[in-house]
Amino acid sequence: DIQMTQSPSTLSASVGDRVTITCRASQSISSWLAWYQQKPGKAPKLLIYKASSLESGVPSRFSGSGSGTEFTLTISSLQPDDFATYYCQQYNSDLTFGGGTKVEIK
Amino acid sequence: EVQLVETGGGLIQPGGSLRLSCAASGFTVSSNYMSWVRQAPGKGLEWVSVIYSGGSTYYADSVKGRFTISRDNSKNTLYLQMNSLRAEDTAVYYCASGYGPLDYWGQGTLVTVSS
Repeated sequence: DIQMTQSPSTLSASVGDRVTITCRASQSISSWLAWYQQKPGKAPKLLIYKASSLESGVPSRFSGSGSGTEFTLTISSLQPDDFATYYCQQYNSDLTFGGGTKVEIK
Repeated sequence: EVQLVETGGGLIQPGGSLRLSCAASGFTVSSNYMSWVRQAPGKGLEWVSVIYSGGSTYYADSVKGRFTISRDNSKNTLYLQMNSLRAEDTAVYYCASGYGPLDYWGQGTLVTVSS
């Protein structure tokens, strides 16, 4: 099974900050990686697929990069609506999610 | 507009059975890969099962032999039959479209396994 490790688990930031979340795979997954945003009591929302492709309707301040085993999600300028938990997910072999990164207000 | 609505959750005793439903609108279940994903209270996301458009089914090891995914094309509805439920199956269960990036999600239904 492919394990996904996210860091940090919690991140404190302010509006306007540039935020970067890292996701590492236990083996190469090429670019078969997605990123989701989840707010309390809500379903996850797809942000990025194939490591760097922005889902339709997602603001351009979100971007993804990486391939192989190391990936990043970057929010270029954090907005009030972005305080949430973010998950990476590999789909190279079955589906596995990272443990999540909670972005909270500093 | 695509909408997925899960129903069927509730409180069930260990060893019991429950069937979850996911009714779709604006979207054809049988033409798409459809997955179930769960989230234990305060925890992360765990993929549970998928049914391919061709009908093949696959399961996470944690539920293999106990859960069955199926669909009713005439009702445009996805199901998850859950048998031999355990306390560790307690979670919000989401249906979602896809088996890669999951682009549409339902609102989730809570299953609580407790005596």
